[in-house]
Amino acid sequence: DQQVKQNSPSLSVQEGRISILNCDYTNSMFDYFLWYKKYPAEGPTFLISISSIKDKNEDGRFTVFLNKSAKHLSLHIVPSQPGDSAVYFCAANYMNRDDKIIFGKGTRLHILP
Amino acid sequence: DTEVTQTPKHLVMGMTNKKSLKCEQHMGHRAMYWYKQKAKKPPELMFVYSYEKLSINESVPSRFSPECPNSSLLNLHLHALQPEDSALYLCASSQDRFGPQHFGDGTRLSIL
Repeated sequence: DQQVKQNSPSLSVQEGRISILNCDYTNSMFDYFLWYKKYPAEGPTFLISISSIKDKNEDGRFTVFLNKSAKHLSLHIVPSQPGDSAVYFCAANYMNRDDKIIFGKGTRLHILP
Repeated sequence: DTEVTQTPKHLVMGMTNKKSLKCEQHMGHRAMYWYKQKAKKPPELMFVYSYEKLSINESVPSRFSPECPNSSLLNLHLHALQPEDSALYLCASSQDRFGPQHFGDGTRLSIL
């Protein structure tokens, strides 16, 4: 049973435009959400997180939006750059109660020149 | 550059060999993790150490044996592995059990 779902295996976006990566979750107990970026032959790199008491968190070109009622979060990257081409993992856990992070299957983002 | 260092980067071993994977971090993090990642799949948690004590073992076969000699080091001892154990093994650390995890680049393990 997949508790964190990334339904788009891949996404192509023109350089300079906005990239929107989506993630849905099924477990309403999750209260902390993270996005990781992974290049080939490297480990996942932490990008940005959001706790369930917020609906938006911004860090430079990266913004994460959380819609608790829809159990949906999204990562916006604007403007998209060639170096953003990577696999992006959405993850969730129960903050302060569990150190186990549940990962989605990932979305491969291609930034087109 | 990653702040979590894993060695070796690649390892090929036979099913009867004994080897160890090593992970090191000097960020003062008190929680460390081992994950297994198969191709085109998300990382799967294997073990969690918190303050050098094993806090989670995700029903991992005994042919994988973790060890945390001190707060900066995490080892994964391997013995009598199976071909299906071939995967990328990722180490991660976090400030405590509940913060964002920082990953190493992994050890790509191939079992012959």
